[in-house]
Amino acid sequence: ETGVTQSPTHLIKTRGQQVTLRCSSQSGHNTVSWYQQALGQGPQFIFQYYREEENGRGNFPPRFSGLQFPNYSSELNVNALELDDSALYLCASSPPSGSTDTQYFGPGTRLTVL
Amino acid sequence: GENVEQHPSTLSVQEGDSAVIKCTYSDSASNYFPWYKQELGKRPQLIIDIRSNVGEKKDQRIAVTLNKTAKHFSLHITETQPEDSAVYFCAAVMYNNNDMRFGAGTRLTVKP
Repeated sequence: ETGVTQSPTHLIKTRGQQVTLRCSSQSGHNTVSWYQQALGQGPQFIFQYYREEENGRGNFPPRFSGLQFPNYSSELNVNALELDDSALYLCASSPPSGSTDTQYFGPGTRLTVL
Repeated sequence: GENVEQHPSTLSVQEGDSAVIKCTYSDSASNYFPWYKQELGKRPQLIIDIRSNVGEKKDQRIAVTLNKTAKHFSLHITETQPEDSAVYFCAAVMYNNNDMRFGAGTRLTVKP
């Protein structure tokens, strides 16, 4: 096991609601990336956090936002949930820049929007 | 931005046979290519990766080859076993970049 943890494991929300997902990075890793994985597809990059700052963003609207804390854990917030937001949300952590860019994934949070 | 295509989408082999999954990428600046295995309901797990300064890397039954000129890379699994059955994803990214692009995945089934 990689040591990256996520909570909760499953979540059911209704359209229009807001959700917060949490990720604890592997020990020693200071970079956290978030991905959305729709059923039957590969993960899609949402954004990355490095030293508490957003460090790049994929093609996702502003209602997807995040935070990184001093201990390098991270949150993904999604406002005004839509049915298409139903997916597995994965976070991945990676070691300090300059060592390796390998990303290690957490188990994911499965979000269902009704 | 980077675009990664992966083929085939499904692959069925007999136990003991070899399996090959191929990916192409579009951005010649990409220089890191990991492969992930994802079993049903589980997290993607890194199984092997390769950087653009080498052409081939092997780890027991798994090998990856990279052709920078043609911008394609492949995963080779030899002596397949039923526990190799999973979805495999290739990905491409520039070093110190943040946007790792994944292929659509290959569902590998190894029949006993």
